[in-house]
Amino acid sequence: QVQLVESGGGVVQPGNSLRLSCAASGFTFSTYSMHWVRQAPGKGLEWVAVISYDGTNKYYADSVKGRFTISRDNSKKTLFLQMNSLRADDTALYYCARDSWLSVKYYFDYWGQGTLVTVSS
Amino acid sequence: QSALTQPPSASGSPGQSVTISCTGTSSDIGGYNSVSWYQQHPGKAPKLLIFGVTERPSGVPDRFSGSKSGNTASLTVSGLQADDEADYYCSSSARSNNLVFGGGTKLTVL
Repeated sequence: QVQLVESGGGVVQPGNSLRLSCAASGFTFSTYSMHWVRQAPGKGLEWVAVISYDGTNKYYADSVKGRFTISRDNSKKTLFLQMNSLRADDTALYYCARDSWLSVKYYFDYWGQGTLVTVSS
Repeated sequence: QSALTQPPSASGSPGQSVTISCTGTSSDIGGYNSVSWYQQHPGKAPKLLIFGVTERPSGVPDRFSGSKSGNTASLTVSGLQADDEADYYCSSSARSNNLVFGGGTKLTVL
């Protein structure tokens, strides 16, 4: 069955960096576009970034553009989110989510359980 | 990109129907046929209910249906059940290869 397992979250000081990972299994990872979506404590969902199945196309929310980088290693079936210059308002549960086969359609049929990032001094 | 507008709360009795609206602009909902709806129970990851405005993934009951008119999308839940009590989020593709979510609606089954 499809599984997405995020890791790498933790407590970090403002201005510092963190790298999140999402390990995929149960499907052909290299043929699906993938996203990161976050949810601040007690708040709604916020889209963060998308990467195409082959890694050639990447798009970001304005709130993270220039600070976050999405990437993937298809040989290791893993999605990444490099987060730099972290701010308090980046505090959230970060989900990885699967999009579509060989395309980006901006809907997510599978989600991980999330990894919590807390930015605090 | 501004969030889509959803009512913060909705409610209905078991067996009844409830409709949740999601209002955007011509730059998102009105410009794309890619509205999706998600259900999220407390402490759980979101679950896809509707994609492409009206399509249901396999396994989602036909009690859940979606529609769109102009810049407003809607999710209707028919035959309300206790387990339908959850938060519901809409989303839409938007200009510049973005995605925007609604603020969420808490559905209470009375």
